Amino acid sequence: AQTVTQSQPEMSVQEAETVTLSCTYDTSESDYYLFWYKQPPSRQMILVIRQEAYKQQNATENRFSVNFQKAAKSFSLKISDSQLGDAAMYFCAYRGSNYQLIWGAGTKLIIKP
Amino acid sequence: DTAVSQTPKYLVTQMGNDKSIKCEQNLGHDTMYWYKQDSKKFLKIMFSYNNKELIINETVPNRFSPKSPDKAHLNLHINSLELGDSAVYFCASSQGVWGANGYTFGSGTRLTVV
Repeated sequence: AQTVTQSQPEMSVQEAETVTLSCTYDTSESDYYLFWYKQPPSRQMILVIRQEAYKQQNATENRFSVNFQKAAKSFSLKISDSQLGDAAMYFCAYRGSNYQLIWGAGTKLIIKP
Repeated sequence: DTAVSQTPKYLVTQMGNDKSIKCEQNLGHDTMYWYKQDSKKFLKIMFSYNNKELIINETVPNRFSPKSPDKAHLNLHINSLELGDSAVYFCASSQGVWGANGYTFGSGTRLTVV
């Protein structure tokens, strides 16, 4: 069965600096999708970025980018120029062939002003 | 212009009561989901419907019954509520069962059973 591991329960970063959140996953599939979701205190789950496993190019969305290492089964999220509004829980998720989104336990990101 | 809307946002009820949470999406998606988020923020899939057909039915008590009258709606009815049912319940939708473009979530319903 697939699993997703986020080894950092909590991270903190100074405003305007860069932070990287780690995510590893375990799967025997070759075709799948990976996602990062953000959950601010408002509770809304917001899609931050997605990566298709067959694409070698790392996905980028403005200040958010991923480092996708398929062989290592690693999918880290880099947030550049951190802003106070980035403070949230961040969830890594894997979508394979079994119709289910497998979630990591989340990383709480704290932004220090 | 809300994409996925859930009602109510908050629900406080006594043990033993029956309650429903409604979900509607206006994105034209064909697949909808119910998730439960516990106090430790862990997200667990409960049900998924594709074009009104149940495709995921995880091990949840049969007090929980989903209903999808059409592909834009997925409601959750809970009978005989228990203290352990207290959680945040999220509805979500995606286009296709693969959800390759990601899921769109509602804002959640915080259920508190007293």
